[in-house]
Amino acid sequence: EDQVTQSPEALRLQEGESSSLNCSYTVSGLRGLFWYRQDPGKGPEFLFTLYSAGEEKEKERLKATLTKKESFLHITAPKPEDSATYLCAVTDSSYKLIFGSGTRLLVRP
Amino acid sequence: NAGVTQTPKFRILKIGQSMTLQCTQDMNHNYMYWYRQDPGMGLKLIYYSVGAGITDKGEVPNGYNVSRSTTEDFPLRLELAAPSQTSVYFCASSYLDGGGETQYFGPGTRLLVL
Repeated sequence: EDQVTQSPEALRLQEGESSSLNCSYTVSGLRGLFWYRQDPGKGPEFLFTLYSAGEEKEKERLKATLTKKESFLHITAPKPEDSATYLCAVTDSSYKLIFGSGTRLLVRP
Repeated sequence: NAGVTQTPKFRILKIGQSMTLQCTQDMNHNYMYWYRQDPGMGLKLIYYSVGAGITDKGEVPNGYNVSRSTTEDFPLRLELAAPSQTSVYFCASSYLDGGGETQYFGPGTRLLVL
């Protein structure tokens, strides 16, 4: 059964304190791994898609990496506006997204 | 482009009532999806559609129905609402992007069943 597990469930950082979020997955025939950001009361906002092990993508203070079993979302020198829930999801050959439960990030000034 | 729009934003239903959640996208995406998100949880797929006239069940379809008569619209019907259907419902649409898909989400409908 396809499964996505995210850790930690919650993370508190001081402004400027870099860290990483983990997404481990079990899927037969990975077609893509996705990272989304979700603010309270809003829908998920697309951040990155990764397709193969070794791939990396960056956007401002965020960098996503992918191995054969997990993905990391690295946050460099975070700011309070980076506070949100970060969701990881994978697709298999069916193109259906399977989501993890998310990591709630709080960045304090 | 407005992207994916959903109505209503919030609704309170009594047990046994029915309602339709509306979803419209203006990006000409073939694929559309309905998810529910319970507090502190990820999103679970209810139904999806790969094109007008074609729908299929997701992970948690019981108690829901869908139809897709046009590319733009994908309404979700709740029959005989139950407290277990209290949740936030998100509609999404997508296009094929390389080896996978990028799904774009609406703002959500918050549903409370009492």
